[in-house]
Amino acid sequence: AQRVTQPEKLLSVFKGAPVELKCNYSYSGSPELFWYVQYSRQRLQLLLRHISRESIKGFTADLNKGETSFHLKKPFAQEEDSAMYYCALSKAGANSKLTFGKGITLSVRP
Amino acid sequence: GAGVSQSPRYKVAKRGQDVALRCDPISGHVSLFWYQQALGQGPEFLTYFQNEAQLDKSGLPSDRFFAERPEGSVSTLKIQRTQQEDSAVYLCASSSLRQGGAFFGQGTRLTVV
Repeated sequence: AQRVTQPEKLLSVFKGAPVELKCNYSYSGSPELFWYVQYSRQRLQLLLRHISRESIKGFTADLNKGETSFHLKKPFAQEEDSAMYYCALSKAGANSKLTFGKGITLSVRP
Repeated sequence: GAGVSQSPRYKVAKRGQDVALRCDPISGHVSLFWYQQALGQGPEFLTYFQNEAQLDKSGLPSDRFFAERPEGSVSTLKIQRTQQEDSAVYLCASSSLRQGGAFFGQGTRLTVV
């Protein structure tokens, strides 16, 4: 069965501090991994996908198949990064359903 | 608008009442998904359409839940004889066939009292 684990519910940091949001997964096969973000009173939106290998809003995430992890990182957090973050996976190479983690609230204090 | 649109945004239903939730996907998007998000949880998959065909309904929690997309565009999620445990945010998402991930609507918050 496929599963996404986000072990922490809340991460609170000061502005300018580094951020790492953890995500581990279990999946038999090669999944596609995503990070979604939900800002206050806004819809869930795609932040980044592992196959794109992009940096969005200063965030990066590297897929580590050995550790089955896809941690989200940013070297210097900004107040506007405060939001709910969800890690998700789907079957690779096909347009298929997403399996989400429970999410983590990131709070960046001034 | 260009995004996924859901209506109503909020719905309060008395236990036992039937409800219908609507989703307008992004124009041209072949794939449409419904998810259920309980308080404090991540979204959980309910069902998937490719055009008008419902290809996966494995996530529907009971036969009280029914979804349709008769013309391959707008979709409706219907819940019959609502129960308190149905209280959740219902999210709709759409995507093109080649695209991974999806675009989400703002959701419908259903409260069953």
